[in-house]
Amino acid sequence: GQQLNQSPQSMFIQEGEDVSMNCTSSSIFNTWLWYKQDPGEGPVLLIALYKAGELTSNGRLTAQFGITRKDSFLNISASIPSDVGIYFCAGQLLFDTGNQFYFGTGTSLTVIP
Amino acid sequence: NAGVTQTPKFQVLKTGQSMTLQCAQDMNHNSMYWYRQDPGMGLRLIYYSASEGTTDKGEVPNGYNVSRLNKREFSLRLESAAPSQTSVYFCASSVEGRINQPQHFGDGTRLSIL
Repeated sequence: GQQLNQSPQSMFIQEGEDVSMNCTSSSIFNTWLWYKQDPGEGPVLLIALYKAGELTSNGRLTAQFGITRKDSFLNISASIPSDVGIYFCAGQLLFDTGNQFYFGTGTSLTVIP
Repeated sequence: NAGVTQTPKFQVLKTGQSMTLQCAQDMNHNSMYWYRQDPGMGLRLIYYSASEGTTDKGEVPNGYNVSRLNKREFSLRLESAAPSQTSVYFCASSVEGRINQPQHFGDGTRLSIL
């Protein structure tokens, strides 16, 4: 299957600090997605990126679709305690038989008040 | 809005028992997916159904079967459960086709095989 390398694996930051995480792949993707997962729940979509070079914001979150289509990053500004969770990147490929999604291994974020 | 609903939320099985995990979505999505999530490994695709009447294997299909019952429902069956199948299982759905649309996930089924 496709390999997505997500880094860092975990982060411990002070409330108010900015956060940056990224995802790289050896494959080219049609779409890049960023999800957040809270304990005991399913992943929730944060941002979807559809074009190479696209920069999209959702509140304090900003994500970019890399020019090469092989990478993406997610930034969180002025972190707050409710940002705690696991963040996953995902790349989407379109096939004649349908869509397939490939996920990174996640970045665990801890925000210290 | 229910979105994607999975049942049950928790289940404990003995090795060799069979079980079906249920998933239903009310967003009129064409595509549905089953993933398993294990510590440190992210989400891995088991099976997916691009549209009603079709199913295809994902990355880790061994030991599982699926049924796309209708457009709304996509079930995952373990015929003879093994301890290696202890995991959290997520169902997801998305709009299919050439339009790049993201997935929406259920809250998961936590399955333990003893």
